[in-house]
Amino acid sequence: ETGVTQSPTHLIKTRGQQVTLRCSSQSGHNTVSWYQQALGQGPQFIFQYYREEENGRGNFPPRFSGLQFPNYSSELNVNALELDDSALYLCASSLSGAGANEQFFGPGTRLTVL
Amino acid sequence: DQQVKQNSPSLSVQEGRISILNCDYTNSMFDYFLWYKKYPAEGPTFLISISSIKDKNEDGRFTVFLNKSAKHLSLHIVPSQPGDSAVYFCAASEWAGANSKLTFGKGITLSVRP
Repeated sequence: ETGVTQSPTHLIKTRGQQVTLRCSSQSGHNTVSWYQQALGQGPQFIFQYYREEENGRGNFPPRFSGLQFPNYSSELNVNALELDDSALYLCASSLSGAGANEQFFGPGTRLTVL
Repeated sequence: DQQVKQNSPSLSVQEGRISILNCDYTNSMFDYFLWYKKYPAEGPTFLISISSIKDKNEDGRFTVFLNKSAKHLSLHIVPSQPGDSAVYFCAASEWAGANSKLTFGKGITLSVRP
């Protein structure tokens, strides 16, 4: 059983560019949540996808968008990058109907915006 | 507005002694609380959780206490081991399901000295 994987590991972009981050959920999981962890902060909920539909969103602007594919993998897209978007982006996969303690996190993608 | 607060950024304890990590919350709707442990270059991993209907949950060396009236919880690690050195996040959700949105504190860096 493979765990949650994320790609790329690190990424450097310049302000105004667009970025796509990818997450492969754990086998059998149908839900993916994305979190942003800025330096010195805890992870902050961006949004969640369940069966290819957005299923809840945190306090993030529309330039943060996502997709979930039929195999339940997911993408996070950020347009018009700003310096404050520099952070560790974490995804967590889970199976609907399981407990909140059964959200499994990937290692994250470190995004640096210059 | 921080709904989950971990006011001490760091804690250092001697191996074999007790580590007590504190967490406060402000949102009365939170019904389920979790502790995550994070090593560098890895995603957060679930440690222990507690439902709001309980005041204590124990799992081996780890015990979580919840004081709902004070909106306070604490994680006790006894005895502390050098391998426990990591960042610990307190998290809360409004329900205990796998699709719940987690609200995290800023984390506490625990150092266990040999």
